[in-house]
Amino acid sequence: GENVEQHPSTLSVQEGDSAVIKCTYSDSASNYFPWYKQELGKRPQLIIDIRSNVGEKKDQRIAVTLNKTAKHFSLHITETQPEDSAVYFCAASKHGNQFYFGTGTSLTVIP
Amino acid sequence: DAGITQSPRHKVTETGTPVTLRCHQTENHRYMYWYRQDPGHGLRLIHYSYGVKDTDKGEVSDGYSVSRSKTEDFLLTLESATSSQTSVYFCAISEDRQGVDEKLFFGSGTQLSVL
Repeated sequence: GENVEQHPSTLSVQEGDSAVIKCTYSDSASNYFPWYKQELGKRPQLIIDIRSNVGEKKDQRIAVTLNKTAKHFSLHITETQPEDSAVYFCAASKHGNQFYFGTGTSLTVIP
Repeated sequence: DAGITQSPRHKVTETGTPVTLRCHQTENHRYMYWYRQDPGHGLRLIHYSYGVKDTDKGEVSDGYSVSRSKTEDFLLTLESATSSQTSVYFCAISEDRQGVDEKLFFGSGTQLSVL
């Protein structure tokens, strides 16, 4: 099956700085890569996603990049704010019916 | 909330007892999933369903069974609960647009404690 690795497990940044979270996947057939944000005690919420036919996607302060050759994808958050503090999960999927998740990154934005 | 309801929200049970968790959706989506979330392990797939009475195992299916008798309901059963099954359980549904755009949405979760 698919194996998704995520780094770092914890990340602290100063407010206003950028944060980058990286994931690698093992199955070259994976073609859909979503990112989830989970606040304490809440459900994971989809924040951005990218398909394998696209190299980069942006949504305001959030962007995701994908390198299919190297089988890795990254989440970039610019101008971080305290409300960005949460656990972030990457995932990989093929055929849209099985999603494999990374182990999560706990992001802390220091005011 | 993507029309997903999980019940119960919290459950405390004893080792060896059967437990059933329920997931209900109002979106009429074909795919439904059960995940468990544990510190250091992220979200791991237990079982999933791709239609009424159509289910398949995920990566951590041992000790769990599922049933889907109606499109809107997906049940997860722990036949004989063990302490290692103490976890937060999330149900999820995915939008099925013939592979064009898949998005996974989660329910609010069930905190299960097995004593």
